[in-house]
Amino acid sequence: AQSVAQPEDQVNVAEGNPLTVKCTYSVSGNPYLFWYVQYPNRGLQFLLKYITGDNLVKGSYGFEAEFNKSQTSFHLKKPSALVSDSALYFCAVREEGDYKLSFGAGTTVTVRA
Amino acid sequence: GAVVSQHPSRVICKSGTSVKIECRSLDFQATTMFWYRQFPKQSLMLMATSNEGSKATYEQGVEKDKFLINHASLTLSTLTVTSAHPEDSSFYICSARGGGAGELFFGEGSRLTVL
Repeated sequence: AQSVAQPEDQVNVAEGNPLTVKCTYSVSGNPYLFWYVQYPNRGLQFLLKYITGDNLVKGSYGFEAEFNKSQTSFHLKKPSALVSDSALYFCAVREEGDYKLSFGAGTTVTVRA
Repeated sequence: GAVVSQHPSRVICKSGTSVKIECRSLDFQATTMFWYRQFPKQSLMLMATSNEGSKATYEQGVEKDKFLINHASLTLSTLTVTSAHPEDSSFYICSARGGGAGELFFGEGSRLTVL
Protein backbone atom coordinates (compact mmCIF):
# COMPACT_ATOMS: atom_id res chain seq x y z
CA ALA A 1 0.00 0.00 0.00
CA GLN A 2 1.16 3.54 -0.67
CA SER A 3 0.23 6.77 1.04
CA VAL A 4 1.20 10.41 1.28
CA ALA A 5 0.97 12.80 4.21
CA GLN A 6 0.97 16.56 3.95
CA PRO A 7 0.99 17.62 7.59
CA GLU A 8 0.06 21.25 7.01
CA ASP A 9 -3.38 22.27 5.77
CA GLN A 10 -2.19 25.81 5.22
CA VAL A 11 1.08 27.63 4.76
CA ASN A 12 1.24 31.41 4.90
CA VAL A 13 4.32 33.37 3.86
CA ALA A 14 5.18 36.90 2.87
CA GLU A 15 6.17 37.61 -0.71
CA GLY A 16 9.90 37.30 -1.17
CA ASN A 17 10.31 34.88 1.73
CA PRO A 18 11.21 31.21 1.31
CA LEU A 19 8.34 28.79 0.89
CA THR A 20 8.35 25.17 2.07
CA VAL A 21 5.51 22.68 1.72
CA LYS A 22 6.06 19.40 3.53
CA CYS A 23 5.38 15.89 2.28
CA THR A 24 6.17 12.44 3.61
CA TYR A 25 5.37 9.19 1.88
CA SER A 26 5.07 5.47 2.40
CA VAL A 27 5.55 2.83 -0.29
CA SER A 28 6.75 -0.74 -0.27
CA GLY A 29 8.93 -0.41 -3.36
CA ASN A 30 10.85 2.35 -5.09
CA PRO A 31 8.89 5.62 -4.90
CA TYR A 32 8.05 7.85 -7.80
CA LEU A 33 7.20 11.24 -6.26
CA PHE A 34 5.37 14.19 -7.75
CA TRP A 35 4.24 17.69 -6.90
CA TYR A 36 1.23 19.30 -8.55
CA VAL A 37 -0.39 22.71 -8.15
CA GLN A 38 -4.09 23.43 -8.52
CA TYR A 39 -5.73 26.81 -9.02
CA PRO A 40 -9.46 27.26 -8.26
CA ASN A 41 -11.72 25.26 -10.55
CA ARG A 42 -8.78 24.04 -12.60
CA GLY A 43 -7.06 20.73 -13.10
CA LEU A 44 -3.65 19.80 -11.78
CA GLN A 45 -0.49 21.33 -13.17
CA PHE A 46 2.69 19.31 -12.95
CA LEU A 47 5.54 20.99 -11.07
CA LEU A 48 8.23 18.36 -10.71
CA LYS A 49 8.97 14.71 -10.11
CA TYR A 50 11.56 12.43 -8.59
CA ILE A 51 12.17 9.07 -10.23
CA THR A 52 15.84 8.42 -9.67
CA GLY A 53 19.14 10.26 -9.68
CA ASP A 54 19.91 13.49 -7.87
CA ASN A 55 17.98 13.97 -4.68
CA LEU A 56 17.42 17.65 -5.47
CA VAL A 57 14.91 18.05 -8.25
CA LYS A 58 14.26 21.34 -10.00
CA GLY A 59 10.91 22.01 -11.58
CA SER A 60 8.63 24.64 -13.04
CA TYR A 61 8.21 28.23 -11.82
CA GLY A 62 11.34 28.15 -9.67
CA PHE A 63 10.20 25.29 -7.46
CA GLU A 64 12.45 22.50 -6.28
CA ALA A 65 12.09 19.50 -4.04
CA GLU A 66 14.50 17.32 -2.12
CA PHE A 67 14.09 13.57 -1.89
CA ASN A 68 15.21 12.22 1.47
CA LYS A 69 15.03 8.45 1.58
CA SER A 70 15.92 8.06 5.26
CA GLN A 71 13.19 10.48 6.30
CA THR A 72 10.80 9.35 3.51
CA SER A 73 10.21 12.99 2.68
CA PHE A 74 9.87 15.03 -0.46
CA HIS A 75 9.42 18.65 0.64
CA LEU A 76 8.65 21.32 -1.95
CA LYS A 77 10.61 24.56 -1.75
CA LYS A 78 10.87 27.92 -3.42
CA PRO A 79 13.56 30.40 -2.34
CA SER A 80 11.45 33.50 -2.92
CA ALA A 81 7.66 33.18 -3.01
CA LEU A 82 5.39 35.23 -5.24
CA VAL A 83 1.78 36.26 -4.63
CA SER A 84 0.92 34.25 -7.76
CA ASP A 85 2.18 31.10 -6.03
CA SER A 86 -0.94 31.16 -3.85
CA ALA A 87 -2.73 27.93 -4.70
CA LEU A 88 -3.42 24.37 -3.54
CA TYR A 89 -0.42 22.04 -3.68
CA PHE A 90 -0.56 18.26 -3.84
CA CYS A 91 2.18 15.75 -3.25
CA ALA A 92 1.65 12.35 -4.88
CA VAL A 93 3.40 9.00 -4.94
CA ARG A 94 3.27 5.83 -6.94
CA GLU A 95 5.37 2.74 -6.98
CA GLU A 96 7.60 1.76 -9.86
CA GLY A 97 5.52 -0.09 -12.45
CA ASP A 98 2.15 1.07 -11.07
CA TYR A 99 0.55 4.18 -12.55
CA LYS A 100 -2.06 4.67 -9.84
CA LEU A 101 -1.19 7.83 -7.97
CA SER A 102 -1.95 8.38 -4.31
CA PHE A 103 -2.38 12.01 -3.36
CA GLY A 104 -1.84 13.85 -0.13
CA ALA A 105 -4.64 15.91 1.36
CA GLY A 106 -3.24 19.08 -0.14
CA THR A 107 -1.72 22.23 1.34
CA THR A 108 -3.16 25.66 0.67
CA VAL A 109 -0.40 28.19 0.19
CA THR A 110 -1.14 31.85 0.68
CA VAL A 111 1.53 34.38 -0.19
CA ARG A 112 0.76 37.87 1.07
CA ALA A 113 2.07 40.98 -0.60
CA GLY B 1 3.89 18.74 -22.98
CA ALA B 2 1.03 16.38 -23.65
CA VAL B 3 -2.49 17.81 -23.50
CA VAL B 4 -5.56 16.21 -21.98
CA SER B 5 -8.89 17.85 -22.67
CA GLN B 6 -12.02 17.44 -20.60
CA HIS B 7 -15.49 18.43 -21.73
CA PRO B 8 -17.66 19.96 -20.47
CA SER B 9 -15.78 22.06 -17.95
CA ARG B 10 -19.03 22.83 -16.15
CA VAL B 11 -22.39 21.14 -16.25
CA ILE B 12 -25.60 21.68 -14.34
CA CYS B 13 -28.30 19.06 -14.52
CA LYS B 14 -31.53 18.08 -12.86
CA SER B 15 -31.73 15.26 -10.39
CA GLY B 16 -32.43 11.94 -12.11
CA THR B 17 -30.77 12.77 -15.41
CA SER B 18 -27.52 11.32 -16.72
CA VAL B 19 -24.43 13.32 -17.55
CA LYS B 20 -21.50 12.34 -19.75
CA ILE B 21 -18.00 13.77 -19.29
CA GLU B 22 -15.36 13.25 -21.95
CA CYS B 23 -11.62 12.97 -21.49
CA ARG B 24 -9.45 13.19 -24.60
CA SER B 25 -5.72 12.91 -25.08
CA LEU B 26 -5.07 15.42 -27.86
CA ASP B 27 -1.56 14.63 -29.02
CA PHE B 28 -0.79 11.17 -27.73
CA GLN B 29 -2.38 7.77 -27.37
CA ALA B 30 -3.46 6.90 -23.86
CA THR B 31 -3.67 3.22 -23.09
CA THR B 32 -4.81 3.98 -19.58
CA MET B 33 -6.90 6.79 -18.18
CA PHE B 34 -7.83 7.47 -14.58
CA TRP B 35 -10.92 9.18 -13.21
CA TYR B 36 -10.77 11.12 -9.94
CA ARG B 37 -13.34 12.89 -7.84
CA GLN B 38 -12.53 15.90 -5.73
CA PHE B 39 -14.74 17.44 -3.05
CA PRO B 40 -14.24 21.10 -2.11
CA LYS B 41 -10.90 21.75 -0.48
CA GLN B 42 -10.13 18.05 -0.40
CA SER B 43 -7.76 15.73 -2.15
CA LEU B 44 -8.34 13.70 -5.30
CA MET B 45 -9.91 10.31 -4.79
CA LEU B 46 -9.31 7.73 -7.48
CA MET B 47 -12.60 6.36 -8.75
CA ALA B 48 -11.54 3.99 -11.51
CA THR B 49 -8.87 2.97 -13.97
CA SER B 50 -9.93 2.86 -17.59
CA ASN B 51 -8.06 0.68 -20.07
CA GLU B 52 -8.70 0.92 -23.79
CA GLY B 53 -10.84 -1.92 -25.06
CA SER B 54 -11.55 -3.49 -21.70
CA LYS B 55 -13.74 -2.97 -18.67
CA ALA B 56 -12.80 -0.32 -16.17
CA THR B 57 -11.42 -1.26 -12.79
CA TYR B 58 -13.28 0.50 -9.99
CA GLU B 59 -11.90 1.40 -6.59
CA GLN B 60 -13.55 0.05 -3.50
CA GLY B 61 -16.75 1.87 -2.66
CA VAL B 62 -17.35 3.28 -6.15
CA GLU B 63 -20.60 2.13 -7.74
CA LYS B 64 -19.84 0.89 -11.22
CA ASP B 65 -23.48 1.07 -12.27
CA LYS B 66 -23.61 4.67 -11.11
CA PHE B 67 -20.40 5.80 -12.74
CA LEU B 68 -20.15 4.20 -16.17
CA ILE B 69 -16.75 4.39 -17.80
CA ASN B 70 -16.07 3.66 -21.43
CA HIS B 71 -12.63 3.74 -23.06
CA ALA B 72 -13.51 3.03 -26.67
CA SER B 73 -10.39 4.40 -28.30
CA LEU B 74 -6.81 5.27 -27.43
CA THR B 75 -7.68 8.95 -27.19
CA LEU B 76 -11.09 9.01 -25.52
CA SER B 77 -12.55 7.88 -22.23
CA THR B 78 -16.00 8.87 -21.03
CA LEU B 79 -17.51 8.98 -17.55
CA THR B 80 -21.30 8.87 -17.39
CA VAL B 81 -22.96 9.72 -14.10
CA THR B 82 -26.27 7.90 -14.30
CA SER B 83 -29.42 9.09 -12.54
CA ALA B 84 -27.49 11.90 -10.94
CA HIS B 85 -28.40 13.18 -7.48
CA PRO B 86 -27.22 16.25 -5.58
CA GLU B 87 -24.67 14.18 -3.65
CA ASP B 88 -22.96 13.43 -6.99
CA SER B 89 -22.13 17.11 -7.34
CA SER B 90 -18.36 17.30 -7.42
CA PHE B 91 -15.28 18.15 -9.43
CA TYR B 92 -14.27 15.26 -11.67
CA ILE B 93 -10.73 15.09 -13.07
CA CYS B 94 -9.27 12.65 -15.54
CA SER B 95 -5.66 11.80 -16.19
CA ALA B 96 -4.14 9.94 -19.08
CA ARG B 97 -1.06 7.81 -19.24
CA GLY B 98 1.00 8.25 -22.35
CA GLY B 99 4.12 9.52 -23.94
CA GLY B 100 7.48 7.85 -24.03
CA ALA B 101 7.88 7.65 -20.27
CA GLY B 102 4.26 6.72 -19.70
CA GLU B 103 3.75 9.64 -17.38
CA LEU B 104 0.39 10.98 -16.32
CA PHE B 105 -1.19 14.13 -17.69
CA PHE B 106 -4.26 15.72 -16.14
CA GLY B 107 -7.33 17.31 -17.66
CA GLU B 108 -8.70 20.64 -16.49
CA GLY B 109 -11.55 19.03 -14.62
CA SER B 110 -15.33 19.08 -14.96
CA ARG B 111 -17.56 20.59 -12.30
CA LEU B 112 -20.88 18.80 -12.01
CA THR B 113 -23.76 20.43 -10.15
CA VAL B 114 -26.92 18.39 -9.71
CA LEU B 115 -29.98 20.40 -8.72
